[in-house]
Amino acid sequence: GAVVSQHPSRVICKSGTSVKIECRSLDFQATTMFWYRQFPKQSLMLMATSNEGSKATYEQGVEKDKFLINHASLTLSTLTVTSAHPEDSSFYICSAINGYYGYTFGSGTRLTVV
Amino acid sequence: AQKVTQAQTEISVVEKEDVTLDCVYETRDTTYYLFWYKQPPSGELVFLIRRNSFDEQNEISGRYSWNFQKSTSSFNFTITASQVVDSAVYFCALSEGGGSTLGRLYFGRGTQLTVWP
Repeated sequence: GAVVSQHPSRVICKSGTSVKIECRSLDFQATTMFWYRQFPKQSLMLMATSNEGSKATYEQGVEKDKFLINHASLTLSTLTVTSAHPEDSSFYICSAINGYYGYTFGSGTRLTVV
Repeated sequence: AQKVTQAQTEISVVEKEDVTLDCVYETRDTTYYLFWYKQPPSGELVFLIRRNSFDEQNEISGRYSWNFQKSTSSFNFTITASQVVDSAVYFCALSEGGGSTLGRLYFGRGTQLTVWP
């Protein structure tokens, strides 16, 4: 079936540094990728929608300069958390649209900023 | 307003009990899709079912069954003879519109199901 590979699965970084999260669609073309953030015991909140070759659309309240999304190819989308701070610590998960299931989710990245 | 409401935050049952997870949605679109996902402690989302708005037929898959009722805007999920491995957070989600591609997903807040041995 359709697979989205997300890396890294866990990352710890120092406050002020940047972290890049990658999502690759392994056996299908991901024209559209969604990026979510999930705080403990909460639901998934959509951060942004990216379409291959164009700028991402960010949800209200999400800082586009802080959460940089690049979707330069049909199989790769990246989320870079710039100048990370402890409040950015969260679970980040990507999702791509595919034909049968509707959406295929990555396995998620647990970011801890210390 | 919440597009997807999961009123049950936490449910605890003992193994072999049946349990129903409620989901109420809100949309003005006539074409939409409803989903259920399971999220175990590892965090990965596991797809359980997709339903389109024109298909109200209930579905059964092993111990899982889904009751879709447009009249009450509900899409409830029942686990029969629950098992410890069913312990997870379950999310109901809605995607609106029926164009050539799906739109964003709206998630409910999730229901934490704990099944005790």
